[in-house]
Amino acid sequence: RKEVEQDPGPFNVPEGATVAFNCTYSNSASQSFFWYRQDCRKEPKLLMSVYSSGNEDGRFTAQLNRASQYISLLIRDSKLSDSATYLCVVKGGGNAGNMLTFGGGTRLMVKP
Amino acid sequence: DVKVTQSSRYLVKRTGEKVFLECVQDMDHENMFWYRQDPGLGLRLIYFSYDVKMKEKGDIPEGYSVSREKKERFSLILESASTNQTSMYLCASRLAGTYEQYFGPGTRLTVT
Repeated sequence: RKEVEQDPGPFNVPEGATVAFNCTYSNSASQSFFWYRQDCRKEPKLLMSVYSSGNEDGRFTAQLNRASQYISLLIRDSKLSDSATYLCVVKGGGNAGNMLTFGGGTRLMVKP
Repeated sequence: DVKVTQSSRYLVKRTGEKVFLECVQDMDHENMFWYRQDPGLGLRLIYFSYDVKMKEKGDIPEGYSVSREKKERFSLILESASTNQTSMYLCASRLAGTYEQYFGPGTRLTVT
């Protein structure tokens, strides 16, 4: 079983739609959680951290469910520019220490 | 702005050749990382370095070595390139004690 699992997609949505991605992780000792965004043929960049209480940044909302070991990302009012691959990232816990473990990514395509 | 640069965007090498991939960061970050990214497998950690002259194996170190002689530079070496090392190689750096990793643009290596 992969340590961090994501549905690879692609998710094809029209502009203005709301779309949600989930990610599950296997290490119950994991301490911190993030979403990174990777545009086509570009490097990953941090989108947002995920806090236990949930957090929002504009049209983006991230939530963490420790009991079920999953993380979600909700994008409201999708824009064409949101088209990218979204990587779920989990930090450490146990022997993994400070290392980040990346999921395979979920590809989002927003259509006009 | 943090800048992480990699020596080449595209590289084509023959089986058995020795390959050097260079990464330089300009923000005095202590931690540096080498990943490879393959479709369906996500980013996998090859090696990382907490500081100058320090190196630690990641999840898939076989067939690779690294060198960190200066703080700003982290080199990945393929001693004898093989076709299964054809991949996108991404370097990253981060400030010690933080979790945001800054990635370089990547090197797409093809081994024929």
